[in-house]
Amino acid sequence: DIQMTQSPASLSASLGETVTIECRASEDIYSNLAWYQQKPGNSPQLLIYDANSLADGVPSRFSGSGSGTQYSLKINSLQSEDVASYFCQQYNNYPYTFGAGTKLELK
Amino acid sequence: EVQLQQSGAELVRPGTSVKLSCKVSGDTITAYYMHFVKQRPGQGLEWIGRIDPEDDSTKYAEKFKNKATLTADTSSNTAYLKLSSLTSEDTATYFCTVITMMVPPFAYWGQGTLVTVSS
Repeated sequence: DIQMTQSPASLSASLGETVTIECRASEDIYSNLAWYQQKPGNSPQLLIYDANSLADGVPSRFSGSGSGTQYSLKINSLQSEDVASYFCQQYNNYPYTFGAGTKLELK
Repeated sequence: EVQLQQSGAELVRPGTSVKLSCKVSGDTITAYYMHFVKQRPGQGLEWIGRIDPEDDSTKYAEKFKNKATLTADTSSNTAYLKLSSLTSEDTATYFCTVITMMVPPFAYWGQGTLVTVSS
């Protein structure tokens, strides 16, 4: 199975700040990576797919990058509504595996 | 736009089984690979498996092979997740989501079904 190592586990940032979350795959996943935002009590919401494509309706302050085994999600100009948990997921090989998640809070 | 409607919360006894549903509306289920994901309270996401309703082929994560069974009914546009020999470790919210060629992967999710295993 492909292991997804996500960091940091938690993150505290100020409004307007830029934050970066990273995911490292245990082998090359050829950009078959998605990022999700999840707020308490809600289903995960797709933010980024294919490592760097923005899902419909997602604000442009969210961006994804990376290739091979290293990927990142960047949030520019942090807004209060961005407080949530964020997960990466590889869909290159079965089983499709998730990172452990990053809990983003306001400082 | 496709919508995924999941069945309601379940309170079940240890050792029993439960069958959860995920109904596709707005399109035919055979256009989608139906995936199921587990989330224990306050924890991360675990991929359980997927079914192709076109041919009923399935893929499972190893840890769920003796726990979960995926089926689909094309006549009702519904996918099912059956969980057997339930323990407290199965207490979780279970989500369905889809992959199709027409939209980004995992763009659509059901609202989740909370399963509580308790005597």
